[in-house]
Amino acid sequence: DSGVTQTPKHLITATGQRVTLRCSPRSGDLSVYWYQQSLDQGLQFLIQYYNGEERAKGNILERFSAQQFPDLHSELNLSSLELGDSALYFCASSPGTSGGATGELFFGEGSRLTVL
Amino acid sequence: GQQVMQIPQYQHVQEGEDFTTYCNSSTTLSNIQWYKQRPGGHPVFLIQLVKSGEVKKQKRLTFQFGEAKKNSSLHITATQTTDVGTYFCAGRGGSNYKLTFGKGTLLTVNP
Repeated sequence: DSGVTQTPKHLITATGQRVTLRCSPRSGDLSVYWYQQSLDQGLQFLIQYYNGEERAKGNILERFSAQQFPDLHSELNLSSLELGDSALYFCASSPGTSGGATGELFFGEGSRLTVL
Repeated sequence: GQQVMQIPQYQHVQEGEDFTTYCNSSTTLSNIQWYKQRPGGHPVFLIQLVKSGEVKKQKRLTFQFGEAKKNSSLHITATQTTDVGTYFCAGRGGSNYKLTFGKGTLLTVNP
């Protein structure tokens, strides 16, 4: 158990819909990362937050947004869903520092999204 | 932007054979990390390398970081069925906060 909690574990929805994935980082970790994993693309970095502020952005679509709340949990919102958005979405956390995250990432078990 | 390439994509070995996966970055890295993801699981951290030319060992696993800090390798000696999974390298460049993962190498071991 990494200490990172993601909900829901599985989600099936239709094209055009909107979903929210939730992540609770390990106790004390200030940095939260979101990754998308699909079969042919490996782990694609989406976005990182540190203590509530966006720190780095990857290839995150405009239909996707995220935020980190004062209690440090994070949510990833996916809207106008398309078939190609079907993937496993991982959240990871690390202690981080104000100068950037260092050290290992602790991954949650992921949220598997299926868009029909 | 920063790209991390990893080869091979797949590797099937007989139990007891050695295995190596290679990682190359398009830019100089400040550090590189390695993760293992078991089938149906989530990535789990194995190790971080920071120094140029660094070599670290964990039992049968040997990790190397290139002199130019642009490449790395993971070598497993005498593979076991418990080594099955996808091995990812992940690099962080300079002041760049994001950790870029390679596409991984899926290792299967025939008992």
